Amino acid sequence: QKEVEQDPGPLSVPEGAIVSLNCTYSNSAFQYFMWYRQYSRKGPELLMYTYSSGNKEDGRFTAQVDKSSKYISLFIRDSQPSDSATYLCAMRSTASKLTFGTGTRLQVTL
Amino acid sequence: DAGITQSPRHKVTETGTPVTLRCHQTENHRYMYWYRQDPGHGLRLIHYSYGVKDTDKGEVSDGYSVSRSKTEDFLLTLESATSSQTSVYFCAISDQRGPTDTQYFGPGTRLTVL
Repeated sequence: QKEVEQDPGPLSVPEGAIVSLNCTYSNSAFQYFMWYRQYSRKGPELLMYTYSSGNKEDGRFTAQVDKSSKYISLFIRDSQPSDSATYLCAMRSTASKLTFGTGTRLQVTL
Repeated sequence: DAGITQSPRHKVTETGTPVTLRCHQTENHRYMYWYRQDPGHGLRLIHYSYGVKDTDKGEVSDGYSVSRSKTEDFLLTLESATSSQTSVYFCAISDQRGPTDTQYFGPGTRLTVL
């Protein structure tokens, strides 16, 4: 079983929709959580970083962490075609390397 | 990708040949990383460096070696390339290690081993 599970998609939504992207994990030592966005043929770029349970908001993006359920989410409001990309979750414990999910491919259609 | 370049961006090679990939940064960050990205596996750490001449293995280091003789350059070498090393390779940099480590990624090198 992988430490981090992420549905690969693809997830297709119409422009303006609310998107929910999710990851589950099995290692209870993970304390720090990140979301990266990766456009096709590009390197990942950091979107959100959080280390506590609850919500963190940045513009149209909200990162949610539920440590009791070992479940994290990224919500995108008012989705745009420019949001079409692969979204990677990543997490670590206090001393470990970064562990990535496999990524969810999102397509926002006009 | 600002401040991080990778070369070459694309390479096709044959099984058994040596290959060296280069990562160059202009951010003067201390830590540098090499990852590979494959379908169904996500990003996996190959090697990382925590300073000039200081390197350590990641989770998929077999068949790879690295060198860092200058702060700005981190080289990844496949001594004898195999088809299983066909992948997209990403370099990343960060200026600190530990929980708040934020890694910034380069544009990637697409390597095909025939």
